[in-house]
Amino acid sequence: AQSVTQLGSHVSVSEGALVLLRCNYSSSVPPYLFWYVQYPNQGLQLLLKYTSAATLVKGINGFEAEFKKSETSFHLTKPSAHMSDAAEYFCAVSDRTGAGSYQLTFGKGTKLSVIP
Amino acid sequence: EPEVTQTPSHQVTQMGQEVILRCVPISNHLYFYWYRQILGQKVEFLVSFYNNEISEKSEIFDDQFSVERPDGSNFTLKIRSTKLEDSAMYFCASSEALQGNTEAFFGQGTRLTVV
Repeated sequence: AQSVTQLGSHVSVSEGALVLLRCNYSSSVPPYLFWYVQYPNQGLQLLLKYTSAATLVKGINGFEAEFKKSETSFHLTKPSAHMSDAAEYFCAVSDRTGAGSYQLTFGKGTKLSVIP
Repeated sequence: EPEVTQTPSHQVTQMGQEVILRCVPISNHLYFYWYRQILGQKVEFLVSFYNNEISEKSEIFDDQFSVERPDGSNFTLKIRSTKLEDSAMYFCASSEALQGNTEAFFGQGTRLTVV
């Protein structure tokens, strides 16, 4: 089974500063990778996904992530944090099951705080 | 924009009671899922459902759990006799295809508290 590790359960940045949320995965096959965001009292919303078409993936709200196979990483970045980015961010890998279906394996999540 | 809807947003129940968590997936989606997140822990896969039957279930999804699509629009998760350790946020999700690169759309979750 594949796994996902998110370094840092809580990250604080100043408004306007770079956001870097780390995600490492383990996979024996080329992975499908996702970043989801959860705003307070809301569901999980897809930010972006990697499906092997391009290593640098752009998502919504100015976020992007770079797939680095050599480092087994898929870190999420945003050049300039905004107060509205405060949320919890989840990295996930799509895992093919024995029955031939897929399920998402999530990291523990990183809570992003933005300081004015 | 179409969305997955879950009700209730918060459910408090006594240990041993049955609960039913409800979800309305996106209408043209064919694959449905339940995930849960115990406070402070990872979001974990519970079960996937397609063509009116379970496709896959995790070790967590034991005989106390069941899923149903009773009327073509709702997708429910039933816990027959709740335990304290069932307290968690339960997320419903749906997707239109069964491919690794297809995103799942999630509802806002139901927070279940077992007392």
